[in-house]
Amino acid sequence: GAVVSQHPSRVICKSGTSVKIECRSLDFQATTMFWYRQFPKQSLMLMATSNEGSKATYEQGVEKDKFLINHASLTLSTLTVTSAHPEDSSFYICSATDRNSGANVLTFGAGSRLTVL
Amino acid sequence: SQQGEEDPQALSIQEGENATMNCSYKTSINNLQWYRQNSGRGLVHLILIRSNEREKHSGRLRVTLDTSKKSSSLLITASRAADTASYFCATDRRGAQKLVFGQGTRLTINP
Repeated sequence: GAVVSQHPSRVICKSGTSVKIECRSLDFQATTMFWYRQFPKQSLMLMATSNEGSKATYEQGVEKDKFLINHASLTLSTLTVTSAHPEDSSFYICSATDRNSGANVLTFGAGSRLTVL
Repeated sequence: SQQGEEDPQALSIQEGENATMNCSYKTSINNLQWYRQNSGRGLVHLILIRSNEREKHSGRLRVTLDTSKKSSSLLITASRAADTASYFCATDRRGAQKLVFGQGTRLTINP
């Protein structure tokens, strides 16, 4: 079945630094990838929709200059948290849809836990 | 914005019992899906039910959909300790790319 690889799974960084998280579809082409943020014991909050070759569409309230998303190929999307602060600490999850699949079923990465000191 | 509401928020049952989780939504939908999330991991797709379907089965899972009430239920029969996880419903509208996730039900199966 479809597999999405997300890494790093855990990252600890100092305040003010930038962190990049990668999301790769391993055995399918993903025209669309989604980035979510999840707080403990809460649901997923959609941050942005990433379409290959075009600018990401950000949800209301998500700073596009803070959370840079690049979807340079059909198998790779990256999320860069710029000038990270402790309040950016969270669990970030990506997902992708298979362009050859008729249904809108998402395959998720395993998530990345970011801790900003 | 999240449009799905799940009920209950948390459910704890004994192994072997059946677990039922409910999901309500507010707008018309194209499909409704259920996903499972183990603690600290990504979500895994369980089952999809289309808006013109009323019931669907997959192994120990049974999903119902009532579009008149804008609600769905997920039944897990003969629960196992390994079923312990959070379960989320997700809906999409015709032509829309993104899914809208519910708040989730945290299910605990006690051995």
